[in-house]
Amino acid sequence: ETGVTQSPTHLIKTRGQQVTLRCSSQSGHNTVSWYQQALGQGPQFIFQYYREEENGRGNFPPRFSGLQFPNYSSELNVNALELDDSALYLCASSLEGLESTGELFFGEGSRLTVL
Amino acid sequence: RKEVEQDPGPFNVPEGATVAFNCTYSNSASQSFFWYRQDCRKEPKLLMSVYSSGNEDGRFTAQLNRASQYISLLIRDSKLSDSATYLCVVNPDRGSTLGRLYFGRGTQLTVWP
Repeated sequence: ETGVTQSPTHLIKTRGQQVTLRCSSQSGHNTVSWYQQALGQGPQFIFQYYREEENGRGNFPPRFSGLQFPNYSSELNVNALELDDSALYLCASSLEGLESTGELFFGEGSRLTVL
Repeated sequence: RKEVEQDPGPFNVPEGATVAFNCTYSNSASQSFFWYRQDCRKEPKLLMSVYSSGNEDGRFTAQLNRASQYISLLIRDSKLSDSATYLCVVNPDRGSTLGRLYFGRGTQLTVWP
């Protein structure tokens, strides 16, 4: 196990609703990245948090937002849900610094279905 | 053009076969490269890093051709447990996880008895 936990594991929402996904990073890791993986596709970068600050954002609209807490856990919020938001949302933690290996450690993901 | 292109397969091979996956990347300034493995409905996990000199880990061999912007993964003596999706991953920064990783869409492998 990677030590990265995500909740909830599965959820169903309807269009227009809002959702919050949570991630607890691996102990000692200071960076959290969020990825969206649609069925049959590779993960797509949403954004990353490093030391509680957003550090880069992919091609996602502003209704995708997030934050990182002092303990390095993180939330992903999506407002005004659309059908195309149905996907597996992956949180990945990593250690940035002199000891970094460049490896990401993924949680098992939150599978969101929008009806 | 996508940052990382992979043949999605599927590849269906018998146990004991040798199978090779390839991917290409568009950003010539990319610094580090990986293969991740993703089992069905599970999270991606690092399989191996890819070094310019090529590297081997047991039955797995990864190669990088910077001139052609091409990465490969060779699996020898395939096992049933190798059945998974293999994701080619490119990082613009060496040894850093700041910023985004670019994932290919994955190549699906099924090994049959």
